[in-house]
Amino acid sequence: DTEVTQTPKHLVMGMTNKKSLKCEQHMGHRAMYWYKQKAKKPPELMFVYSYEKLSINESVPSRFSPECPNSSLLNLHLHALQPEDSALYLCASSPGLAGPLRHEQYFGPGTRLTVT
Amino acid sequence: SQQGEEDPQALSIQEGENATMNCSYKTSINNLQWYRQNSGRGLVHLILIRSNEREKHSGRLRVTLDTSKKSSSLLITASRAADTASYFCATDRTGGGNKLTFGTGTQLKVEL
Repeated sequence: DTEVTQTPKHLVMGMTNKKSLKCEQHMGHRAMYWYKQKAKKPPELMFVYSYEKLSINESVPSRFSPECPNSSLLNLHLHALQPEDSALYLCASSPGLAGPLRHEQYFGPGTRLTVT
Repeated sequence: SQQGEEDPQALSIQEGENATMNCSYKTSINNLQWYRQNSGRGLVHLILIRSNEREKHSGRLRVTLDTSKKSSSLLITASRAADTASYFCATDRTGGGNKLTFGTGTQLKVEL
């Protein structure tokens, strides 16, 4: 199984709502990532989990809260978002090797988030 | 600022022609990767070239890497309409942790 799955595919939420995005992989990868992508722009890294521990937070506002319950699952909890947070949210995973032996990342199809 | 700048920003060619995209970056790297993204969907990994490699092939794809110039190119030969997508280079920086930094991307359109 070389697939990263993300749910939901689409999400519309108001600025006072609390919602969560989910990501799952069963490739035994030990690194998982959240990216945000605006239209016609490259993906921007938000968070990196390595061996279920948060290793990188790219100065993301606290209204985004990541969680890695186990090595296969990654969640992104959303609260009090702004309309400018509307974007495609991509999850990815990789084997998590270090240094020059690092491998490619496998991306999920993304969740299209609209904040009204 | 972007680690990777790509050119051209957009490229339109006829089916059967070759497409070349270029990527420049600023810091030393462990490897450089190319990804394809169809409209509004997830990214698909195409090819990874390590810092000690100069050229790599995969099917109709050819990637070169010049670390002295901090640049890479992706060549797609005999293009097909199905190659229409956005293409991104991504750098895995030396000492950069477990992260990729994506370039600005090239939008390729292959017309019948």
